[in-house]
Amino acid sequence: DTGVSQDPRHKITKRGQNVTFRCDPISEHNRLYWYRQTLGQGPEFLTYFQNEAQLEKSRLLSDRFSAERPKGSFSTLEIQRTEQGDSAMYLCASSLVGRGDDGYTFGSGTRLTVV
Amino acid sequence: AQKVTQAQTEISVVEKEDVTLDCVYETRDTTYYLFWYKQPPSGELVFLIRRNSFDEQNEISGRYSWNFQKSTSSFNFTITASQVVDSAVYFCALSDSRAAGNKLTFGGGTRVLVKP
Repeated sequence: DTGVSQDPRHKITKRGQNVTFRCDPISEHNRLYWYRQTLGQGPEFLTYFQNEAQLEKSRLLSDRFSAERPKGSFSTLEIQRTEQGDSAMYLCASSLVGRGDDGYTFGSGTRLTVV
Repeated sequence: AQKVTQAQTEISVVEKEDVTLDCVYETRDTTYYLFWYKQPPSGELVFLIRRNSFDEQNEISGRYSWNFQKSTSSFNFTITASQVVDSAVYFCALSDSRAAGNKLTFGGGTRVLVKP
């Protein structure tokens, strides 16, 4: 297993368009997290899944954002009607419940630019 | 509420100098975990260390060392004999037992620039 994969690495979109990002976690990891990182800031929690269940969503996650993790494997994060304020790095991470020893494993992120 | 403060936004040193990154945290919980991550220009967050609140032993790993002081709610990180490859943004993070799913609260990061 090569770690957490995110696709695409970069996305430029026009304001108002919809975008979807994909995250493939480490295969045996049952928890998957999405974080958002704006320029010069630390990552902020958006949401997390345990298996296929979405257990918590941050207030940062407006109605335009939706995340899914069908079958408890890969996850997608969709942003509808993008706004310039959505420009950020979207980071995915995965972990195994009860094995917080190493924190999470993060992916390289998807950098979104809304023009 | 949880909070992590990294007061230094950027530190510039010359290679072989030591550099210490400060991290101060706030939590009401007695059980919590502290982390340090490195973020090189490629963007991926690289795990460096996890420390639980009951283990106040300082730790050394190669050129890296960590000083956990519960009395001052600090978890500082020192790079000894810095190298150019250490140039990155470093984040301190906190997770406590109230944090559903062990979600992390990050500080704002400290950018370290090591000049040759």
